[in-house]
Amino acid sequence: SQKIEQNSEALNIQEGKTATLTCNYTNYSPAYLQWYRQDPGRGPVFLLLIRENEKEKRKERLKVTFDTTLKQSLFHITASQPADSATYLCALTGTTSGTYKYIFGTGTRLKVLA
Amino acid sequence: ETGVTQTPRHLVMGMTNKKSLKCEQHLGHNAMYWYKQSAKKPLELMFVYSLEERVENNSVPSRFSPECPNSSHLFLHLHTLQPEDSALYLCASSQDRSPNTEAFFGQGTRLTVV
Repeated sequence: SQKIEQNSEALNIQEGKTATLTCNYTNYSPAYLQWYRQDPGRGPVFLLLIRENEKEKRKERLKVTFDTTLKQSLFHITASQPADSATYLCALTGTTSGTYKYIFGTGTRLKVLA
Repeated sequence: ETGVTQTPRHLVMGMTNKKSLKCEQHLGHNAMYWYKQSAKKPLELMFVYSLEERVENNSVPSRFSPECPNSSHLFLHLHTLQPEDSALYLCASSQDRSPNTEAFFGQGTRLTVV
């Protein structure tokens, strides 16, 4: 079955550094990969979407890469701030035999230390 | 706010009770979803509605019963739940079911079954 692994359950970094979160997947070839942010007690909020034929996507301090050979996506937050502390979820989306697939990882809890 | 509203935010119910969760969106979206989020587990897709028609039911026990009376409203009717059903229940909507569309999540209902 399809599986996503976000390799760190928790990540602590110092303010101003670049945070790098990893999303690895198996048994699936998604057409798209999405990243969401989730704060405690709230629903996830969409951040970025990258297509399988895109290597990199940027939005302000955020950067996502998508390597379909390694089956991996990296999510970077540059110049991190304490307000970036949250759980970050990756999600694979695509279709398999005409059925839409929308598969989430368990998330990485990021804490940016002041 | 994402434009998706869920009520109630918190719910405690006994195993013999019947209750309903409500979700409302006024984003003009055609697809709506129910997800279950348990601690240290990925988001589990429960039900998908597209244009008010249920298009996916991911092996969810019959004690969970969804209802979509119109494109703006989605309900999850609960009866004779088990303690292991305690979780955060998230509603989401998207423009359509295309895998390249982002999902807008509500804030969730924290359900505790006692």
